Amino acid sequence: SYVLTQPPSVSVAPGETARITCGGDNIGNKNVNWYQQKPGQAPVVVVHDDGDRPSGIPERFSGSNSRNTATLTVSGVEAGDEADYYCQIWDGSSDQYVFGPGTQVIVL
Amino acid sequence: EVKLVQSGAEVKEPGDSLKISCKGTGYDFSNNWIGWVRQTPGKGFEWIGIIFPGHSETRYSPSFKGHVTITADRSFSTTYLHWTSLQASDSALYFCARRRGLDTGTFYFYLDVWGQGTAVTV
Repeated sequence: SYVLTQPPSVSVAPGETARITCGGDNIGNKNVNWYQQKPGQAPVVVVHDDGDRPSGIPERFSGSNSRNTATLTVSGVEAGDEADYYCQIWDGSSDQYVFGPGTQVIVL
Repeated sequence: EVKLVQSGAEVKEPGDSLKISCKGTGYDFSNNWIGWVRQTPGKGFEWIGIIFPGHSETRYSPSFKGHVTITADRSFSTTYLHWTSLQASDSALYFCARRRGLDTGTFYFYLDVWGQGTAVTV
């Protein structure tokens, strides 16, 4: 089965840029979605299909995907961005979803 | 407003049966896929399966097939996840989530709306 890898944590100062990576074999050929989950809450999609933002998600959230790495970028990080972030892909051949292990973003 | 509202936390014994629910409101329930996801501290998010309430087509992850059943009742706009015999390893937080589906001519596969989660302790 397809495996996604993420760094366990990323630390960033307020106002700086956080980059969260998601590795997978030829992940550039798949559509990657990113979810934010705060403690005690359900996940919220912040970027879908590599780089599209749902309505209501700030422009500070952006995504890219190429070759073996997808990246979620959070610009001008705010304290409220502190959360776990998960990448996800959809496997069309089996209609299965695969999630990454998650990255904790720590705002210093 | 599109919402998915799940049933409350459950505490069960090994071998018990259980059915948890997820009610959708504010959208065309019958024509949108609803999936179930499990979250545990050790394994993170795991995909369980998905159902299309309109005709009850269901697809399961191989890891869960045969151990859980996903059903839907269109008259109540509700999907269910049920077990006939729980195991301690089923202890987890379970989420339902809607597949985005068709939007302005494009079919999207991301999960755009999530329930609040149901904690199951066995």
